[in-house]
Amino acid sequence: DTEVTQTPKHLVMGMTNKKSLKCEQHMGHRAMYWYKQKAKKPPELMFVYSYEKLSINESVPSRFSPECPNSSLLNLHLHALQPEDSALYLCASSRQGMVKEQYFGPGTRLTVT
Amino acid sequence: AQSVTQLDSHVSVSEGTPVLLRCNYSSSYSPSLFWYVQHPNKGLQLLLKYTSAATLVKGINGFEAEFKKSETSFHLTKPSAHMSDAAEYFCVAVPGYSSGSARQLTFGSGTQLTVLP
Repeated sequence: DTEVTQTPKHLVMGMTNKKSLKCEQHMGHRAMYWYKQKAKKPPELMFVYSYEKLSINESVPSRFSPECPNSSLLNLHLHALQPEDSALYLCASSRQGMVKEQYFGPGTRLTVT
Repeated sequence: AQSVTQLDSHVSVSEGTPVLLRCNYSSSYSPSLFWYVQHPNKGLQLLLKYTSAATLVKGINGFEAEFKKSETSFHLTKPSAHMSDAAEYFCVAVPGYSSGSARQLTFGSGTQLTVLP
């Protein structure tokens, strides 16, 4: 099973709302990632979790708050977002150690109104 | 620093004709290289990967790529395009130095492939 699942598929939220994106994988991967992708652009890395610990934060605004409750789950908590945060949010996972490919989920299409 | 250059932002081919999507990389270390495909409003799917084994790599859906160190290239090819191949394609590199930590991907800017009937 090489599947990464993400929920919800679509999310529309106002600038004062609080919402969460969820990502799950059951491949035993110990590295998990959040990316933001704007239209016609490659994904931009936001956060990396390695063995459930945050190892990379690419200077992401604090209105995005990641959480890794266990080795299979990754959440992204959203609060007080701006319209420019509207994008496709992708989750990915990979094995640790030597370079391994990342497996991506289908993404959550977020619209901030 | 590592960079990936996809030489064409758009490629248009007729169905049944060959596909060539070009990618060049620069890296201080021999990188691992990947091609991903993204259909509209979907996630990225791994097509193939090069990790210092055979230089000609075969992937899914009839795609293949050849690693040429002398040219720092990793071009993606397919002998005969199908309508379902229309998508965005990303060439991706990961530095080859050894480390125990999770590794970041460096993406090219993407190539939009259009397949004409």
